[in-house]
Amino acid sequence: GQQLNQSPQSMFIQEGEDVSMNCTSSSIFNTWLWYKQDPGEGPVLLIALYKAGELTSNGRLTAQFGITRKDSFLNISASIPSDVGIYFCAGQLNDYKLSFGAGTTVTVRA
Amino acid sequence: DTAVSQTPKYLVTQMGNDKSIKCEQNLGHDTMYWYKQDSKKFLKIMFSYNNKELIINETVPNRFSPKSPDKAHLNLHINSLELGDSAVYFCASSRNGVYGYTFGSGTRLTVV
Repeated sequence: GQQLNQSPQSMFIQEGEDVSMNCTSSSIFNTWLWYKQDPGEGPVLLIALYKAGELTSNGRLTAQFGITRKDSFLNISASIPSDVGIYFCAGQLNDYKLSFGAGTTVTVRA
Repeated sequence: DTAVSQTPKYLVTQMGNDKSIKCEQNLGHDTMYWYKQDSKKFLKIMFSYNNKELIINETVPNRFSPKSPDKAHLNLHINSLELGDSAVYFCASSRNGVYGYTFGSGTRLTVV
């Protein structure tokens, strides 16, 4: 299956900071998705991207579908404590299968 | 009104036992999935059904057998459980396999 490299693996945030994470793939995708998982819950869809170059926002979240179709990034602006969790990128080509990155764990800096 | 519901939420069982996990979705989706999340949080697809037909079957031991009695249900039966089967199993559904998946809240399986 396709390999997705997600970075960073983990990050600490301070309230009010802007944070960024990204995902690269060895092959192209037609769809990029970003999910967030809270402890004890399933991943929840944050943003879906369907076209190369597309830039989409959802509140304080902004994500872009890279021009090469092999990468995507997610930005969180003015982070708040409830932003902690695990963020996953996911890519899909033409089949029914979503391939996931390994996740970025976001924690509040003490 | 839970969109994708899985039961049980927690399952602790001994090695060698057979167990089932059930999943139901009320979103009217036509495609359902089972994903396994390991201790490193990596999500890997196991199976997918579209309109009750198996369309994805990744390299999963034969001890795992999915069953979809109708479009709204996808169950997972596991025979002869092993320690390495311990993980969180997520059910998900989608419309036509696109537009993102909706996940259930997971079943944490612990084999002792």
